[in-house]
Amino acid sequence: KAGVTQTPRYLIKTRGQQVTLSCSPISGHRSVSWYQQTPGQGLQFLFEYFSETQRNKGNFPGRFSGRQFSNSRSEMNVSTLELGDSALYLCASARSGRETEAFFGQGTRLTVV
Amino acid sequence: QQPVQSPQAVILREGEDAVINCSSSKALYSVHWYRQKHGEAPVFLMILLKGGEQKGHEKISASFNEKKQQSSLYLTASQLSYSGTYFCGTPLRGSQGNLIFGKGTKLSVKP
Repeated sequence: KAGVTQTPRYLIKTRGQQVTLSCSPISGHRSVSWYQQTPGQGLQFLFEYFSETQRNKGNFPGRFSGRQFSNSRSEMNVSTLELGDSALYLCASARSGRETEAFFGQGTRLTVV
Repeated sequence: QQPVQSPQAVILREGEDAVINCSSSKALYSVHWYRQKHGEAPVFLMILLKGGEQKGHEKISASFNEKKQQSSLYLTASQLSYSGTYFCGTPLRGSQGNLIFGKGTKLSVKP
């Protein structure tokens, strides 16, 4: 079956702009989580969506937002981009529950110049 | 709430053993382990649950001490393919699938 698909794979944006990243989970998975990965910081949790509802949110400013659609696809948006937002953004999907395996997409590499 | 991993990095020769530790300041319901190779997405290794149940795809052993709120991943007779960064993760309350990850342990296996 198809894996988690993230688009686009690479993005270059200018400070102050906004960006929208997309994640299509594995068919049948209702949980989608977003992570920011930077060198030395590991995987920083952004937010989790389940059945179109945000279940948890990480410690990120309000410039970071997201949503989930009825088909479980998810988007995250970053407004007023800053240089420090440059990172690999990973999306992970899971069926549901805390005992389930999460599957990661290949990520979107965002560079802010 | 972020789990703490140790060591931060380890270098091994093929065939040597390594242990990666993960500890938390709060009670753990489960511990999840992932490996990320350079330029690739993290890949699931195993889940350790309270009561001793384990779910995993790889021939990797691990332990979970609920009282000490710790987990350890044991890599024995390491192979070159074991190289990568290992992350432990724990679920948030109310989570339906997301995890809070440690900062990772970078493992390098040399020939």
